[in-house]
Amino acid sequence: GESVGLHLPTLSVQEGDNSIINCAYSNSASDYFIWYKQESGKGPQFIIDIRSNMDKRQGQRVTVLLNKTVKHLSLQIAATQPGDSAVYFCAEGEFGNEKLTFGTGTRLTIIP
Amino acid sequence: DVKVTQSSRYLVKRTGEKVFLECVQDMDHENMFWYRQDPGLGLRLIYFSYDVKMKEKGDIPEGYSVSREKKERFSLILESASTNQTSMYLCASSPLTGTGGSYEQYFGPGTRLTVT
Repeated sequence: GESVGLHLPTLSVQEGDNSIINCAYSNSASDYFIWYKQESGKGPQFIIDIRSNMDKRQGQRVTVLLNKTVKHLSLQIAATQPGDSAVYFCAEGEFGNEKLTFGTGTRLTIIP
Repeated sequence: DVKVTQSSRYLVKRTGEKVFLECVQDMDHENMFWYRQDPGLGLRLIYFSYDVKMKEKGDIPEGYSVSREKKERFSLILESASTNQTSMYLCASSPLTGTGGSYEQYFGPGTRLTVT
C-alpha cells in the first residue's frame, strides 16, 4: 500500500463548471512559473507558463493569473471536462538556475 | 514533440540489489533531472546534470548516484536498494534557462520501483 504522508488538497468540481486552482510560491525573485498536469500513472505534462513580467496569460480553456504582491498563482480551467481530472501543481524558476521548485499539488476531481 | 523515455514503467527489486534506471531524451537538451515522487510530498530532486559528465546533488541525493556519459542519456543508480526507496521515479529534461528562451522541463512517464 501507499506510505502515509501529507494529504493532497482536493478540489471537486461539477462537469461544465469552471475550476480555479491556487498556488502560493516562495521566491520573489522567480522569473517564470509553470503549471503541470499529472494524470494517474503518468508523468507531469506542461499546461501553461507565465513570466514574472506578466500578470495574466491565456491558453486553450486555461488562464493563469500571477499576483506578485502576495506571491500567488492561480490556474483557471473553463468548462471542466472529465479528462481534466488529475493532480495539478505549480513550479517556479529563475533564469540561470536550472532547477524548478515544485508545489505539492492539488487533486482535481470532476463530478459528472 | 519532445520525448523523454524511461527504461521501465514498473520494476520490482530486492533489498540490497543494485538498480539502474535509464532515461533518454531526444531534444538535445543540456539539462536532465531525476526526481522521486511520493504521495503528498510532491516532486523531490535527487540529482541533476547540466552537461555530459557533470552532475549536481539535489535535495535528497543520499543512497543514489548518477551517470551521464552521453548528452541524451541520464542514469540513476541505487547502489544497494532499500525498502524506503520504493517510489515513483521521474526523469525530466530541459534546455539551459539562461538565454531567457524555453525553460520548461519535459517529463518521462515514470518508473514505479518497488523494493521488497
